Amino acid sequence: AQTVTQSQPEMSVQEAETVTLSCTYDTSENNYYLFWYKQPPSRQMILVIRQEAYKQQNATENRFSVNFQKAAKSFSLKISDSQLGDTAMYFCAFMNGGSQGNLIFGKGTKLSVKP
Amino acid sequence: GAGVSQSPSNKVTEKGKDVELRCDPISGHTALYWYRQSLGQGLEFLIYFQGNSAPDKSGLPSDRFSAERTGGSVSTLTIQRTQQEDSAVYLCASSFYRGNYGYTFGSGTRLTVV
Repeated sequence: AQTVTQSQPEMSVQEAETVTLSCTYDTSENNYYLFWYKQPPSRQMILVIRQEAYKQQNATENRFSVNFQKAAKSFSLKISDSQLGDTAMYFCAFMNGGSQGNLIFGKGTKLSVKP
Repeated sequence: GAGVSQSPSNKVTEKGKDVELRCDPISGHTALYWYRQSLGQGLEFLIYFQGNSAPDKSGLPSDRFSAERTGGSVSTLTIQRTQQEDSAVYLCASSFYRGNYGYTFGSGTRLTVV
């Protein structure tokens, strides 16, 4: 069974600085998708960034980028120029590339951005 | 609608009572998912509907939990004889087909069993 591990329960960063959140996963599949979701206090999960395993190029969305290391099964999220609105829980998630299955989530990292 | 709508937003119920949680997915999304998020925990998969196929119920924690999706749209998650350990936020999401471009989540229902 696939598993997703986020080893940092909590992190903090100063406004305007850069922070990296870690995620590792375990799978025997070669084709899969990886995601980072943000959950602010409003509870709604918001998709931050997505990576397809067969693409070597790391995904980037504005201030958010990933470091995808397929051999190491690592998928970290880098947030540049951190803003107060980035304060939230961040969840790493895995999806098998086959025709069935659902998103498997890590336990999350609570990020606090300090002014 | 523009997003995934869940109701009620909050529900307090007495132990032993039945509750129904509703999810209205994005129009046209073929897949619908229910997850449970206990305090300080990640998301636990409960059940997955895809079109007219039989649902994947592999995540339901006990036979007190059931869900249905009518007309390929609205879904209801029912918890019978609620227990205190059922207290959690129940999140619904929907997606096109398998959701490999990501799911769209609702804001969840916070269930408190007293």
